[in-house]
Amino acid sequence: AQSVSQHNHHVILSEAASLELGCNYSYGGTVNLFWYVQYPGQHLQLLLKYFSGDPLVKGIKGFEAEFIKSKFSFNLRKPSVQWSDTAEYFCAVNDPSGTYKYIFGTGTRLKVLA
Amino acid sequence: DGGITQSPKYLFRKEGQNVTLSCEQNLNHDAMYWYRQDPGQGLRLIYYSQIVNDFQKGDIAEGYSVSREKKESFPLTVTSAQKNPTAFYLCASTPGQGFNEQYFGPGTRLTVT
Repeated sequence: AQSVSQHNHHVILSEAASLELGCNYSYGGTVNLFWYVQYPGQHLQLLLKYFSGDPLVKGIKGFEAEFIKSKFSFNLRKPSVQWSDTAEYFCAVNDPSGTYKYIFGTGTRLKVLA
Repeated sequence: DGGITQSPKYLFRKEGQNVTLSCEQNLNHDAMYWYRQDPGQGLRLIYYSQIVNDFQKGDIAEGYSVSREKKESFPLTVTSAQKNPTAFYLCASTPGQGFNEQYFGPGTRLTVT
Protein backbone atom coordinates (compact mmCIF):
# COMPACT_ATOMS: atom_id res chain seq x y z
CA ALA A 1 0.00 0.00 0.00
CA GLN A 2 1.09 3.53 -0.67
CA SER A 3 2.53 5.36 2.32
CA VAL A 4 3.91 8.83 2.97
CA SER A 5 6.65 9.66 5.45
CA GLN A 6 7.42 13.04 6.92
CA HIS A 7 10.49 12.62 9.04
CA ASN A 8 10.55 16.05 10.66
CA HIS A 9 7.78 16.15 13.23
CA HIS A 10 8.69 19.44 14.86
CA VAL A 11 10.90 22.14 13.40
CA ILE A 12 11.86 25.40 15.05
CA LEU A 13 13.56 28.11 13.01
CA SER A 14 14.40 31.74 13.38
CA GLU A 15 13.03 34.24 10.91
CA ALA A 16 15.04 34.45 7.67
CA ALA A 17 16.34 30.89 8.07
CA SER A 18 15.93 28.49 5.18
CA LEU A 19 13.41 25.68 5.39
CA GLU A 20 13.37 22.20 3.98
CA LEU A 21 10.73 19.68 5.04
CA GLY A 22 11.12 16.11 3.93
CA CYS A 23 8.45 13.98 2.29
CA ASN A 24 8.96 10.48 0.93
CA TYR A 25 6.38 8.16 -0.59
CA SER A 26 6.53 4.47 -1.24
CA TYR A 27 4.94 3.84 -4.65
CA GLY A 28 7.25 3.89 -7.65
CA GLY A 29 4.76 4.56 -10.42
CA THR A 30 2.95 7.67 -11.54
CA VAL A 31 1.93 9.81 -8.60
CA ASN A 32 0.32 13.14 -7.91
CA LEU A 33 1.85 14.94 -4.95
CA PHE A 34 0.60 17.72 -2.73
CA TRP A 35 1.69 19.91 0.13
CA TYR A 36 -0.99 21.39 2.36
CA VAL A 37 -0.64 23.90 5.17
CA GLN A 38 -2.77 24.40 8.26
CA TYR A 39 -2.23 27.80 9.88
CA PRO A 40 -3.41 28.11 13.47
CA GLY A 41 -7.19 28.32 13.53
CA GLN A 42 -7.52 28.13 9.76
CA HIS A 43 -8.62 25.61 7.14
CA LEU A 44 -6.17 23.19 5.62
CA GLN A 45 -5.21 24.73 2.29
CA LEU A 46 -3.14 23.75 -0.71
CA LEU A 47 0.41 25.09 -0.89
CA LEU A 48 1.42 23.43 -4.12
CA LYS A 49 0.95 20.31 -6.21
CA TYR A 50 2.82 18.20 -8.74
CA PHE A 51 1.09 16.21 -11.44
CA SER A 52 3.65 16.11 -14.27
CA GLY A 53 6.21 18.22 -16.12
CA ASP A 54 8.78 20.43 -14.44
CA PRO A 55 9.79 18.67 -11.22
CA LEU A 56 10.39 21.99 -9.48
CA VAL A 57 7.01 23.27 -8.46
CA LYS A 58 6.33 26.74 -7.13
CA GLY A 59 3.44 27.42 -4.79
CA ILE A 60 1.96 30.20 -2.78
CA LYS A 61 3.81 32.40 -0.30
CA GLY A 62 7.25 31.68 -1.74
CA PHE A 63 7.19 27.92 -1.18
CA GLU A 64 8.53 25.43 -3.69
CA ALA A 65 8.96 21.69 -3.84
CA GLU A 66 11.12 19.40 -5.91
CA PHE A 67 9.93 16.03 -7.15
CA ILE A 68 12.83 13.58 -7.34
CA LYS A 69 11.48 10.35 -8.75
CA SER A 70 14.63 8.34 -8.10
CA LYS A 71 14.47 9.21 -4.43
CA PHE A 72 10.67 8.95 -4.07
CA SER A 73 10.80 12.41 -2.55
CA PHE A 74 8.87 15.66 -2.72
CA ASN A 75 10.58 17.98 -0.27
CA LEU A 76 9.18 21.40 0.53
CA ARG A 77 11.50 24.39 0.62
CA LYS A 78 11.46 28.09 1.36
CA PRO A 79 14.63 30.21 1.21
CA SER A 80 13.67 32.57 4.04
CA VAL A 81 10.88 31.83 6.50
CA GLN A 82 8.73 34.39 8.23
CA TRP A 83 6.96 34.31 11.58
CA SER A 84 3.70 33.96 9.65
CA ASP A 85 4.86 30.59 8.27
CA THR A 86 4.26 29.05 11.68
CA ALA A 87 1.86 26.23 10.86
CA GLU A 88 1.51 22.50 10.36
CA TYR A 89 2.52 21.15 6.96
CA PHE A 90 1.20 17.96 5.40
CA CYS A 91 2.48 16.04 2.42
CA ALA A 92 -0.05 13.92 0.50
CA VAL A 93 -0.13 11.60 -2.48
CA ASN A 94 -2.95 10.07 -4.45
CA ASP A 95 -3.66 6.38 -4.02
CA PRO A 96 -2.22 4.73 -7.14
CA SER A 97 -4.80 1.93 -7.08
CA GLY A 98 -7.21 4.13 -9.01
CA THR A 99 -9.53 5.09 -6.19
CA TYR A 100 -10.22 8.66 -5.23
CA LYS A 101 -8.24 8.25 -2.04
CA TYR A 102 -5.34 10.34 -0.86
CA ILE A 103 -2.69 9.35 1.66
CA PHE A 104 -1.34 11.95 4.05
CA GLY A 105 1.86 12.09 6.02
CA THR A 106 1.82 12.65 9.75
CA GLY A 107 2.58 16.34 9.40
CA THR A 108 5.38 18.67 10.45
CA ARG A 109 4.79 21.41 12.97
CA LEU A 110 6.89 24.45 12.10
CA LYS A 111 7.45 27.21 14.59
CA VAL A 112 9.22 30.34 13.41
CA LEU A 113 10.68 32.56 16.09
CA ALA A 114 10.48 36.30 15.51
CA ASP B 1 -18.64 32.37 -1.48
CA GLY B 2 -18.00 28.79 -2.53
CA GLY B 3 -16.69 26.45 0.08
CA ILE B 4 -17.25 23.72 2.60
CA THR B 5 -19.22 24.26 5.77
CA GLN B 6 -18.87 22.09 8.82
CA SER B 7 -21.04 22.53 11.86
CA PRO B 8 -20.79 22.85 14.72
CA LYS B 9 -17.21 23.97 15.34
CA TYR B 10 -17.17 22.37 18.80
CA LEU B 11 -19.32 19.46 19.91
CA PHE B 12 -19.57 17.80 23.29
CA ARG B 13 -21.26 14.47 23.93
CA LYS B 14 -21.56 11.93 26.64
CA GLU B 15 -20.12 8.49 26.12
CA GLY B 16 -22.64 6.09 24.63
CA GLN B 17 -24.42 8.66 22.50
CA ASN B 18 -24.34 8.78 18.72
CA VAL B 19 -23.52 12.16 17.22
CA THR B 20 -23.79 13.44 13.66
CA LEU B 21 -21.35 15.94 12.17
CA SER B 22 -22.53 18.06 9.30
CA CYS B 23 -20.63 18.74 6.07
CA GLU B 24 -22.06 20.81 3.23
CA GLN B 25 -20.34 22.04 0.06
CA ASN B 26 -21.50 24.44 -2.64
CA LEU B 27 -18.55 23.82 -4.96
CA ASN B 28 -20.47 21.31 -7.08
CA HIS B 29 -17.79 18.75 -6.33
CA ASP B 30 -18.48 15.09 -6.96
CA ALA B 31 -16.24 13.52 -4.32
CA MET B 32 -16.40 14.12 -0.58
CA TYR B 33 -14.29 12.83 2.27
CA TRP B 34 -14.16 12.57 6.03
CA TYR B 35 -10.85 12.56 7.87
CA ARG B 36 -9.90 12.33 11.47
CA GLN B 37 -6.94 14.40 12.65
CA ASP B 38 -5.10 13.45 15.83
CA PRO B 39 -1.82 15.00 17.01
CA GLY B 40 1.16 13.29 15.44
CA GLN B 41 -0.97 11.02 13.25
CA GLY B 42 -1.79 13.28 10.34
CA LEU B 43 -5.09 12.87 8.53
CA ARG B 44 -6.65 9.43 8.49
CA LEU B 45 -9.44 8.65 6.07
CA ILE B 46 -12.74 7.52 7.60
CA TYR B 47 -15.08 7.39 4.59
CA TYR B 48 -15.25 8.84 1.12
CA SER B 49 -17.90 9.17 -1.55
CA GLN B 50 -17.33 9.58 -5.26
CA ILE B 51 -20.95 10.09 -6.23
CA VAL B 52 -24.38 10.42 -4.68
CA ASN B 53 -25.75 7.28 -3.01
CA ASP B 54 -22.34 5.63 -3.02
CA PHE B 55 -19.55 5.65 -0.45
CA GLN B 56 -16.54 3.56 0.54
CA LYS B 57 -14.80 2.81 3.81
CA GLY B 58 -11.48 4.43 4.42
CA ASP B 59 -8.72 3.20 6.71
CA ILE B 60 -10.50 3.77 10.03
CA ALA B 61 -14.23 3.32 9.30
CA GLU B 62 -15.08 1.21 12.35
CA GLY B 63 -17.53 3.01 14.63
CA TYR B 64 -18.52 5.55 11.98
CA SER B 65 -21.29 5.74 9.40
CA VAL B 66 -22.09 8.13 6.55
CA SER B 67 -24.74 8.88 3.96
CA ARG B 68 -24.67 10.68 0.64
CA GLU B 69 -28.25 11.41 -0.34
CA LYS B 70 -27.42 14.76 -1.93
CA LYS B 71 -24.38 15.88 -3.87
CA GLU B 72 -23.74 18.79 -1.54
CA SER B 73 -24.08 16.95 1.77
CA PHE B 74 -22.03 14.19 3.42
CA PRO B 75 -22.89 13.83 7.12
CA LEU B 76 -20.79 11.66 9.42
CA THR B 77 -22.24 9.81 12.40
CA VAL B 78 -19.91 8.89 15.20
CA THR B 79 -21.53 5.93 16.90
CA SER B 80 -21.17 4.64 20.41
CA ALA B 81 -19.12 1.79 18.96
CA GLN B 82 -16.22 4.15 18.18
CA LYS B 83 -13.80 3.46 21.00
CA ASN B 84 -11.94 6.75 20.96
CA PRO B 85 -14.17 9.36 19.34
CA THR B 86 -12.62 12.51 20.80
CA ALA B 87 -10.81 14.10 17.84
CA PHE B 88 -10.78 16.83 15.22
CA TYR B 89 -12.86 15.87 12.18
CA LEU B 90 -12.25 17.33 8.75
CA CYS B 91 -14.49 17.19 5.71
CA ALA B 92 -13.06 17.67 2.22
CA SER B 93 -14.15 17.57 -1.39
CA THR B 94 -12.64 17.36 -4.87
CA PRO B 95 -14.15 17.93 -8.29
CA GLY B 96 -13.77 14.24 -8.92
CA GLN B 97 -12.33 14.53 -12.40
CA GLY B 98 -8.94 12.91 -12.12
CA PHE B 99 -6.76 13.57 -9.15
CA ASN B 100 -7.28 17.13 -8.05
CA GLU B 101 -6.37 18.92 -4.88
CA GLN B 102 -8.79 18.65 -1.99
CA TYR B 103 -10.73 21.53 -0.50
CA PHE B 104 -11.20 21.36 3.25
CA GLY B 105 -13.78 22.60 5.69
CA PRO B 106 -12.92 24.30 8.98
CA GLY B 107 -13.36 21.12 11.00
CA THR B 108 -15.39 20.02 14.00
CA ARG B 109 -13.74 19.29 17.31
CA LEU B 110 -15.66 16.52 19.04
CA THR B 111 -15.17 15.83 22.73
CA VAL B 112 -16.77 12.78 24.28
CA THR B 113 -16.69 12.38 28.05
